[in-house]
Amino acid sequence: GAGVSQSPRYKVAKRGQDVALRCDPISGHVSLFWYQQALGQGPEFLTYFQNEAQLDKSGLPSDRFFAERPEGSVSTLKIQRTQQEDSAVYLCASSRSGQGAFGYTFGSGTRLTVV
Amino acid sequence: AQRVTQPEKLLSVFKGAPVELKCNYSYSGSPELFWYVQYSRQRLQLLLRHISRESIKGFTADLNKGETSFHLKKPFAQEEDSAMYYCALSGRGSQGNLIFGKGTKLSVKP
Repeated sequence: GAGVSQSPRYKVAKRGQDVALRCDPISGHVSLFWYQQALGQGPEFLTYFQNEAQLDKSGLPSDRFFAERPEGSVSTLKIQRTQQEDSAVYLCASSRSGQGAFGYTFGSGTRLTVV
Repeated sequence: AQRVTQPEKLLSVFKGAPVELKCNYSYSGSPELFWYVQYSRQRLQLLLRHISRESIKGFTADLNKGETSFHLKKPFAQEEDSAMYYCALSGRGSQGNLIFGKGTKLSVKP
């Protein structure tokens, strides 16, 4: 695709509900990153994939957060038993292999509100 | 600790005035420094990176290792520069995850 696509654009969840956020990276981009951006804060790293392998999940805040990228393209971030502190914008970014932090393209994000 | 600090939440200037958005960092290895910008209702996008030593839209930023700073400057601000600016760093040779500051909102008044 032309850019990184994220869906849904907005999600309202009741506390305790499970949610799934989707990221469709640029075709051919090997690296995929998830970030969480709380209100008034900068984005914070959650997890990193290289193809289908999740190489770093050190930023996931709890075991309620789970991410996958089974075929090395589309990725899903799942949050179980959502809590109010999970309210944030979730950003996805992709880049070509070997570019590291260069060549990042961000999606528009999913704004999650937990009520 | 690895950290990026942007001391100003909001910076307001008049059109044509010089602009400096401050960024200080703390990192134990060799960092790569970046400035990202987010215009209203648009996605986060790369503005410039220190390794390229480039000028984008009239903005420049110089890495000062002694002061651990990477301030963003523009001699004459334009109204279209109004946006949210984030300073970020990544470890050289790392997998590429970025550490962001909290951001500075730049408002350029006519």
